[in-house]
Amino acid sequence: AQKITQTQPGMFVQEKEAVTLDCTYDTSDQSYGLFWYKQPSSGEMIFLIYQGSYDEQNATEGRYSLNFQKARKSANLVISASQLGDSAMYFCAMREALYIIQGAQKLVFGQGTRLTINP
Amino acid sequence: AAGVIQSPRHLIKEKRETATLKCYPIPRHDTVYWYQQGPGQDPQFLISFYEKMQSDKGSIPDRFSAQQFSDYHSELNMSSLELGDSALYFCASSPPSGTAAYGYTFGSGTRLTVV
Repeated sequence: AQKITQTQPGMFVQEKEAVTLDCTYDTSDQSYGLFWYKQPSSGEMIFLIYQGSYDEQNATEGRYSLNFQKARKSANLVISASQLGDSAMYFCAMREALYIIQGAQKLVFGQGTRLTINP
Repeated sequence: AAGVIQSPRHLIKEKRETATLKCYPIPRHDTVYWYQQGPGQDPQFLISFYEKMQSDKGSIPDRFSAQQFSDYHSELNMSSLELGDSALYFCASSPPSGTAAYGYTFGSGTRLTVV
């Protein structure tokens, strides 16, 4: 069974600082995908970044990067130069497959980390 | 670009009533997933459909049913509503199999409040 663990229920960071949100996962599969989503107070689920289990390079998307340490089964999200608009709930999620095939590959989410950026 | 459309955005129902939530996926997306997110909780997978057939099932109560129609939109039907059903219900869609590693696009959610 899959399991995603986010051990930081809440984090407070000063604006413009970098922040790392922790995520560890548990799977016996070799092929899987890791995702980070942002959920602002308005509720929508916004995709941030993706890392495939065979990707050798850490994924980056603008100010977001994913620190992927496969042997440790961790996939931490790094946000550089944080902004006030980054205040939100952040979810790490995993799919136990690299690709969606016939709709059977759901996402499993962690408990989330509430990030607050202070001015 | 077209997104996943969910309706209604907000819904208030009384206990024991029924509710129907609708999800319209991105055009040419053939798979729909439903998730339930309780207050302060992480999203929990309910059910998914691929090409109008149920493809996976999670922690969906027996009081709930869902289907995907010929135009690929999906409806989640909830009967005998309980206070604990109050939650944000997400629908996500994904493109044809194997075409994209990322795959999922979420709708804005339907916030159901049972009173």
